[in-house]
Amino acid sequence: QSALTQPASVSGSPGQSITISCTGTSSDVGSYNLVSWYQQHPGKAPKVMIYGDSKRPSGVSNRFSGSKSGNTASLKISGLQAEDEADYYCCSYAGSSTFVVFGGGTKLTVL
Amino acid sequence: QLQLQESGPGLVKPSETLSLICTVSGGSISSSNYYWGWICQPPGKGLEWIGSIYYSGSTFYNPSLKSRVTISVDTSKNQFSLRLSSVTAADTAVYYCARHVDYSYYIDVWGKGTTVIVSS
Repeated sequence: QSALTQPASVSGSPGQSITISCTGTSSDVGSYNLVSWYQQHPGKAPKVMIYGDSKRPSGVSNRFSGSKSGNTASLKISGLQAEDEADYYCCSYAGSSTFVVFGGGTKLTVL
Repeated sequence: QLQLQESGPGLVKPSETLSLICTVSGGSISSSNYYWGWICQPPGKGLEWIGSIYYSGSTFYNPSLKSRVTISVDTSKNQFSLRLSSVTAADTAVYYCARHVDYSYYIDVWGKGTTVIVSS
């Protein structure tokens, strides 16, 4: 089971937009509309920000949006705020034998 | 509001078995709409899915850990548990229990996590 591929780090200034990519394969990201994204602040449990490729749970800011093209999913954060500085992980359903697989994580720095 | 709480030893000796329990409160583990899973995070590293279980007992394991992992559910206690055998220092991590939403498979509820150190 190979982890999904994410950039190790991204950065942006307050008010700017950033995008984090998540590349998988035709066995996971490319086969199902079931990519989710999680935000994790230091010492805290992760929190879901996007599920089903692009759905936003109740209570999550509309500054967060998800999309997908082929085997690559993306998380876009608009209007960056200091509180967005965190680690972000993608995750995809990968079929009944593998179930789910996480990305390696991306550290977002708000400059 | 459903809550998950991990419990178990914080220190395990190499080659022994790590055992953790997740207690579900504010809801039933027997709901047909959810799976219950374990995720670990080694110090300074990313999240790794360990395995998940349906209330009926059907299990799904990370292929890389499958030979060492057992996840079980006790509906009478509203708990599910993790056993990881033959541990090494590489198994030192924060262990989270979590709830996956059926059909969507995303995790909507996480426990706070518990740190397990493997050391003699």
